Amino acid sequence: EAGVAQSPRYKIIEKRQSVAFWCNPISGHATLYWYQQILGQGPKLLIQFQNNGVVDDSQLPKDRFSAERLKGVDSTLKIQPAKLEDSAVYLCASTGQGAPGELFFGEGSRLTVL
Amino acid sequence: AQSVTQPDIHITVSEGASLELRCNYSYGATPYLFWYVQSPGQGLQLLLKYFSGDTLVQGIKGFEAEFKRSQSSFNLRKPSVHWSDAAEYFCAVGAMNTGFQKLVFGTGTRLLVSP
Repeated sequence: EAGVAQSPRYKIIEKRQSVAFWCNPISGHATLYWYQQILGQGPKLLIQFQNNGVVDDSQLPKDRFSAERLKGVDSTLKIQPAKLEDSAVYLCASTGQGAPGELFFGEGSRLTVL
Repeated sequence: AQSVTQPDIHITVSEGASLELRCNYSYGATPYLFWYVQSPGQGLQLLLKYFSGDTLVQGIKGFEAEFKRSQSSFNLRKPSVHWSDAAEYFCAVGAMNTGFQKLVFGTGTRLLVSP
């Protein structure tokens, strides 16, 4: 079974530029998450999708971050314009159960904003 | 709102020695508790989870954890550490978020293994 795929693995941009990250969850998983992990901190939930609907985006900085999951499968997270404090690893995860279950994580996309 | 505290930022253990990583949670209902491990440059891998039942849960790689409701703790243990266990360990509490699973993570504990 293929795992959660993310790309790109690494990205370096200047502040005020834009960047997009892509995630393809495990086949059949209805719930998809984007987490932000700043160096030295635990992952923080940015947004949670159930199929193509948003369950929770309360911690997403909506003035600069956006995310979509148009067909209920893969997802894109965009940052525009980027700030220095956006430097982090962006982790995508998915799960197939509405009840408590294991989240499966991708390897992450590391963003460096200069 | 739920939260997780991992009081130890770094822990160094000699290879072959026992290990205990501490985790305290705050949650108003019965929690679902998890331990994940993250090796450098990798995503998070589930070590073990507690939903209900036996408070001592076994996981992969020889890890176990004990849920203590009275102490709001879910400490991770391993009787004999191997050099390959060096990684970052995250405790997480799961909650139902408008009917769907959501995880809140602690800040992590970095495990260093000395020869």
